[in-house]
Amino acid sequence: AQRVTQPEKLLSVFKGAPVELKCNYSYSGSPELFWYVQYSRQRLQLLLRHISRESIKGFTADLNKGETSFHLKKPFAQEEDSAMYYCALSDPGAGSYQLTFGKGTKLSVIP
Amino acid sequence: DVKVTQSSRYLVKRTGEKVFLECVQDMDHENMFWYRQDPGLGLRLIYFSYDVKMKEKGDIPEGYSVSREKKERFSLILESASTNQTSMYLCASSLASYNSPLHFGNGTRLTVT
Repeated sequence: AQRVTQPEKLLSVFKGAPVELKCNYSYSGSPELFWYVQYSRQRLQLLLRHISRESIKGFTADLNKGETSFHLKKPFAQEEDSAMYYCALSDPGAGSYQLTFGKGTKLSVIP
Repeated sequence: DVKVTQSSRYLVKRTGEKVFLECVQDMDHENMFWYRQDPGLGLRLIYFSYDVKMKEKGDIPEGYSVSREKKERFSLILESASTNQTSMYLCASSLASYNSPLHFGNGTRLTVT
């Protein structure tokens, strides 16, 4: 079965510093990978997905199949980036639409 | 813009009560999901549905059931609430595509006393 690991429960960085939120997955096929974000008192929402290869709010994520990773990066953290971040994987090979989520990383940007 | 609406933001129930959590989406999405969100455990899938009257168990279905009589509505039922079901419950919907994002509701914080 697929698994998503986010090794850091909490990550604190200073404003203006680079940010990297780690995500590793275990899956034998070609996964669909996503990052979701939940700001304080807001609903969980999609941040970006690997198939789009886009940058959202300055964040990017590259799928590294060799290392089975999908780390989320931003060169300069902003205070408004403070939130809970979840990495998620969908499993086309299983013919199922369900997403498997990691346990999440809380990002705190210190002013 | 997709809207997923959960009927209650906060709910307090007693142990043993039957509890209904309702979710409605307005974008004609085929898939609907129920997750519970707990600190340190992330999101865990309870049940999902890919069509009317269809349902599949997720990772933690014990103690829960679901109902999908209409495409836009997906209900989560706690047959006999217990204190270990105190949690934040999130409903989501998506199109029937593997790279289609999930659209979440605001969540229902359920407390079972």
